Formats: sequence, structure tokens, C-alpha cells
Amino acid sequence: GAVVSQHPSRVICKSGTSVKIECRSLDFQATTMFWYRQFPKQSLMLMATSNEGSKATYEQGVEKDKFLINHASLTLSTLTVTSAHPEDSSFYICSAPHDRGNYGYTFGSGTRLTVV
Amino acid sequence: DAKTTQPPSMDCAEGRAANLPCNHSTISGNEYVYWYRQIHSQGPQYIIHGLKNNETNEMASLIITEDRKSSTLILPHATLRDTAVYYCIVNAGGTSYGKLTFGQGTILTVHP
Repeated sequence: GAVVSQHPSRVICKSGTSVKIECRSLDFQATTMFWYRQFPKQSLMLMATSNEGSKATYEQGVEKDKFLINHASLTLSTLTVTSAHPEDSSFYICSAPHDRGNYGYTFGSGTRLTVV
Repeated sequence: DAKTTQPPSMDCAEGRAANLPCNHSTISGNEYVYWYRQIHSQGPQYIIHGLKNNETNEMASLIITEDRKSSTLILPHATLRDTAVYYCIVNAGGTSYGKLTFGQGTILTVHP
């Protein structure tokens, strides 16, 4: 149990366009969703925390107007990379805490974004 | 959250036990030790977690020292598919889900 489905798994977009990444909790209610970014050969870096029905909290240095987060329901959180540029190319991962078997946190499978 | 220190890389022969250490000397009394692993280009996968007692599940065992300042993840019979980056994280967990902060982890390479 406690599965987070993340889509798309891979996306290539042109510079200047926007890309939306979705994370859905399939069998539990995700009141909180964490969004991470991972550059090659680096660890996961937390970008922002979204809570259902309220504004997201962004980590220092993350532009909130560039990385739009929406968490309108208990099962869906989205991250939109607006006006994407090549430097936004990265691996984006979502994660939700849960209380199933006290596992703590479950992660999506990640989205590989390439901006050309 | 308390910080953790892990060796950057380790090797293990297939079929042997892999013992991955983690130091968390500033861990608080209410913080759990979580272990996750990340296989290339995938999301992290939960392995095991514990508070102060040793834990075992179908994937691994977790040994936490009595003072809780360090722990060891044990993969009893490593396979090639266990090659991954292993992250040790301390977090309050329970009913207060704070953000998980990832360190650099340990790159475990299992070789034939």
C-alpha cells in the first residue's frame, strides 16, 4: 500500500515552454507532498512542500513563480515548470508521508525533464 | 533533523552480506532512523526504519547502537540488483512528518 503514481516519467520540451508533472496518491490521502530535484550524480534536493488546500512552502533559492505547485485535492499534487530553460533539466521526484505500516514516506518514480 | 554521515562508496561480493554504516551522533530522542535506496533513474525505495530496537524485514536488518549515535544496515545476501545508492536519514516520523533531508548516501556496488 501507499503508492504514489508520478507522470510523465520522461518529457522533452522546448526552451520557453511549460511542463506539468503530476503525482497521485493511489490508495491513501496525501495531505502533504514533498517535491525534490536531483541533478546527475547528486543527491535529492528538496524544492518545496505542498499541503492540500494551502500555498506551498518553497526552500531557499527556489523560485516560486517558476515552479508552480498545486495541491487542490488529497490525492493530486502537481508541479509546473514554467518557461523552462536547459538549466531546469533534471530529475524531479515527489514524495508523500503516510501512516501505512509506519513506512513514513513513499516516493514517486520520478520525471526526467530535458529542456532543449 | 539530525545530520548523517555515510561512506561515499562500498563494494560487496554477490551472495555476501553488505554492511552499510551510518553515523548520526546528533539524533534526538524522538527521531527515527530511516534507510532508503535509489536505483539509477528511479525514485527512492523504502528499506527499513527503527527508533532504538534492532529491526528486520524481508529486505534487510537494521542494527542501532545503544546510544543511538550510529546504525548499520545489513543486506544479508547481496545480489547484483542491490547495486544502488543507499541513504540513511533521521527524521521524527510518527505523526509529525517533517521533510526528509538527503545526504550524499553510499554507493553500493555488488559485483559477481
